[in-house]
Amino acid sequence: QQQVKQSPQSLIVQKGGISIINCAYENTAFDYFPWYQQFPGKGPALLIAIRPDVSEKKEGRFTISFNKSAKQFSLHIMDSQPGDSATYFCAALDNYGQNFVFGPGTRLSVLP
Amino acid sequence: DTAVSQTPKYLVTQMGNDKSIKCEQNLGHDTMYWYKQDSKKFLKIMFSYNNKELIINETVPNRFSPKSPDKAHLNLHINSLELGDSAVYFCASSERGTGGAGAFFGQGTRLTVV
Repeated sequence: QQQVKQSPQSLIVQKGGISIINCAYENTAFDYFPWYQQFPGKGPALLIAIRPDVSEKKEGRFTISFNKSAKQFSLHIMDSQPGDSATYFCAALDNYGQNFVFGPGTRLSVLP
Repeated sequence: DTAVSQTPKYLVTQMGNDKSIKCEQNLGHDTMYWYKQDSKKFLKIMFSYNNKELIINETVPNRFSPKSPDKAHLNLHINSLELGDSAVYFCASSERGTGGAGAFFGQGTRLTVV
């Protein structure tokens, strides 16, 4: 129940395209869902996050879509750029705030 | 100013040695974590502390011992290092509860046991 599933494992997108990464969870105690971006040799950096009382959140080219009934959420990167090439992790935080559970990550490559 | 800083960034050591990794956060957060990232990039929680109190202790060998002298510091001591301990270790901090804004990570410590 503590698992967060993430797909695809890797993704190749042309510059200007849309990158979509999907995540799913089981634990209904999760109530905060951040996405992290990690470049090689760096720590994960918070990108965007959503709470389950909204269905969508947009920040610049990054959008989270959230489906509470299906327990699924996804990250959309519009107008993908080569600089977006990184590993992306979805995560979930339980409502006691004790632990961020991470998905296994998606390696995104944006071709110039 | 670095929000979450951990030292050292690289650590190469022989099997059987004891080593420590230090972590400090200047964000005023009340919760700190240690995560282990393996070669497949999977991030797994090891420990979580809230206001110096151990909250989460996942199935981690007791060779790993966290210590939190105050809520801004969480150090990780590893005894009798083994080859399988080689990984990147990340310290992170957050404000506990749903009012938080996510966890902030340090730059990581790449531990290589030879």
